[in-house]
Order: sequence, then structure tokens, then C-alpha cells
Amino acid sequence: ETGVTQTPRHLVMGMTNKKSLKCEQHLGHNAMYWYKQSAKKPLELMFVYNFKEQTENNSVPSRFSPECPNSSHLFLHLHTLQPEDSALYLCASSVRDQAEEQYFGPGTRLTVT
Amino acid sequence: GNSVTQMEGPVTLSEEAFLTINCTYTATGYPSLFWYVQYPGEGLQLLLKATKADDKGSNKGFEATYRKETTSFHLEKGSVQVSDSAVYFCALVNYGQNFVFGPGTRLSVLP
Repeated sequence: ETGVTQTPRHLVMGMTNKKSLKCEQHLGHNAMYWYKQSAKKPLELMFVYNFKEQTENNSVPSRFSPECPNSSHLFLHLHTLQPEDSALYLCASSVRDQAEEQYFGPGTRLTVT
Repeated sequence: GNSVTQMEGPVTLSEEAFLTINCTYTATGYPSLFWYVQYPGEGLQLLLKATKADDKGSNKGFEATYRKETTSFHLEKGSVQVSDSAVYFCALVNYGQNFVFGPGTRLSVLP
């Protein structure tokens, strides 16, 4: 498998559920990112990890909890979400942060009911 | 701070028409510039890039030239196809700073 993969591709969850999004990159990159893409809004950077260390948290609510166990895997743990959190969540990676083009996964379409 | 402005969409064209999507930026120093494309139901894919002034990025018939004097990176294609229907994002990155994406321009190409 090549590139950046994300699972699941679609997720429907209730506001009281706990779920996790998974991202895996097969490119040998050292930086990974979570973005939120909502309808009619610009792409929002949520978290940045560089060499497994979190280097950016753009004022994201605590109901979103990232985890980066190694440079190839990135998770986004979700709990007690709100309907306005429904969006496409995109994972990306790059050789290192803040300087290189990013490669994106296909995204997870999340619907919070 | 850094920012990217794109023309408002949606843009609707007939097949084989000429495409221009305008992109201008505000940044300090010498950013690298990118165009990403997002097809329906997919993530963003890098379409082309330019890393210094006067560089021309090109891919799949699309071109964009890094114009520092006008702080622009307009995307062009001479003859669009239905399969080019997608959302196009202009973006920049400055060394030591995060990526900045434009709001995206939706392109619809009609047969």
C-alpha cells in the first residue's frame, strides 16, 4: 500500500459515542497533520506532529484528542462531539513540517447525529 | 501573517474551453506556492508547485507561474475536460511556518 490511508472512510456517531480515526502514511515522512474541512469554510489545520511530537494545536476543543505513536501513524480520538463537528477530516504528511508539500489521505466523512 | 486569496467560484465552463483560476498571496520572504485539486469524495492531491520566482509548475496540462512582482500564481489550462471538474486550492508555505490554503474554487466542466 502506498501514500496516505485513512480509516474509516465514513463514520456516523452519536453525541455520546467514542470513536477513533486512523491515519497511516507509507511515504517515510516525519510530519503528520489533521485538518478539518467543513462545507463553505476554508481548510482548518487542527494538529501538527513532527517526529511524533505535537508542535501545533490550533485551539481545538478537548473533545478531539490526537495521538501519534510513531511517525507512520496518527489517530484522532473523538468523544462527546457536537453536530457542528460533522465534516471531512483529512490527514496529511510531509517530509518534515513547515517547509514541504503535503500529501493527503482521502479523508473520513464524519456525521454526528 | 500569510494569506491566500482565490477567485470566487463556482466556475462553469464548456469542454475544451480555456481555464484561468486566479490566486494571489500575501507573505513575507520567499514562499513556495502550490495548487492542490480535490475530486469529489477524495482528499487533496498536489497538482503542481513552484519554489521560486519565475518558476513555472506544470502537470496534466495545467500550468502556473510564480510571479513575485504581482504576488500571483494563477492556474491555467488550455482545454478543460469534464474530468477536470473538482475543487482547486491555491496554497503557500514559508520555511518555519505552517501551510496556508486558499478557500478553494469549484470548477464544473460541462460536456
